[in-house]
Parts: sequence; structure tokens; C-alpha cells
Amino acid sequence: DAGITQSPRHKVTETGTPVTLRCHQTENHRYMYWYRQDPGHGLRLIHYSYGVKDTDKGEVSDGYSVSRSKTEDFLLTLESATSSQTSVYFCAISESVNGGSGNTIYFGEGSWLTVV
Amino acid sequence: RKEVEQDPGPFNVPEGATVAFNCTYSNSASQSFFWYRQDCRKEPKLLMSVYSSGNEDGRFTAQLNRASQYISLLIRDSKLSDSATYLCVVNFNQAGTALIFGKGTTLSVSS
Repeated sequence: DAGITQSPRHKVTETGTPVTLRCHQTENHRYMYWYRQDPGHGLRLIHYSYGVKDTDKGEVSDGYSVSRSKTEDFLLTLESATSSQTSVYFCAISESVNGGSGNTIYFGEGSWLTVV
Repeated sequence: RKEVEQDPGPFNVPEGATVAFNCTYSNSASQSFFWYRQDCRKEPKLLMSVYSSGNEDGRFTAQLNRASQYISLLIRDSKLSDSATYLCVVNFNQAGTALIFGKGTTLSVSS
């Protein structure tokens, strides 16, 4: 299994509170990602990072921010949680692009967030 | 809009059956293709990549048809442990930043 640790694994929070999810990897992979997964939707990319301090938005980035100060850590912050952000959040990592081949992504175990 | 479509199922099959899933994608410029497996309340895990020439891994066979823009997964001799949701994933660029996930096809194998 890929060395990816997410914390917390489960959290219940109140609307309007800030929440930070942490992803830690031991693989030294360049790319890190945050996805959310909801019933009726495929996994959707929130933000991703292609290096320390290099991040960019994904498909559903509104209401989320990220930071990557070290290769191994990628933080996802909900500045003011809303009920629509109740979801399962998966961190993922991938190796550098390998000349024309596919880029396999490995996922963490997920963080279940409930906003009440 | 880039999309990946899968039949959600569920597919209910007996042990030993052969089952096939299809997946269609909308962007002809897609770079690479994968099948992931996801067990209930677990993370997705790579099952196999899908190559243009088709590829096989034990009881699993994946095929790609670029002209028709679909990929398939064939599972032979189904086991109870194959029960899971199978995600079709299409990569629209090489950096992995444009992975589009299908919603998944649920397989239930019964004894």
C-alpha cells in the first residue's frame, strides 16, 4: 500500500467553523491531490499540487483552500464549513510523469466529514 | 465537458459467472485509461491500466476501443471477493490533473 495517511479520519463539525484535513505521504511523490466523493457523483478534484508551494484549483475548488509547505504534507482547509461540504475526502498522490505513460494515482483511506 | 459514463448497475451474478462492464468517454484526445476498484467505505485502488492493445491480468481483461471511445472490463470466473464498485478512469493529460472518474459500476457476486 502507498504510504498515505489522512487525518482526521472522521470529523463532525458545525456550520461556519474552519476545518483542516491533513494528508501525509512517505513516498516522496511530486503530485498530491484532494478529491471529494459524493453519492451520484464520481470522484471530483478539489485542488492539486505539483510541488512545494505550487498548487492549483480543480473542478470543485470553491470554499476550499490548500497549502503545501513540505513535499510530504498537503493540507485542505474549509474556511467556513457548510452542509454541502459534508462528504468523503480522499487525498491522492502520483509519481512524476513518465514520458507518455499513464500516471497512476494512489489514494489515502479517506476522511469522513459531516457538517451539521 | 469531459465526461466518463458507466452503467451504475448493480450487476448481480453467481460465483463463476463472467461479467463485463463498459465505459464511454467523451474526449477523443484522452491519454490513458484505468480501472479502479473501490470496496464499501474504502479508498479506490488501481485494478489495472488499459492499453491500446488490450491487456489481461489473471481473470481480468481490459480493452480499449479508441475509435468508439469506450473501454471495457471483463471478469471471468467471478469470486465472492470481486464484489465491489468498479470505477472507470480517464486521464486527459499526462500530469494526472485531468483524471475524470466515472460514477462506478457495482458488482455483487453471490454464492
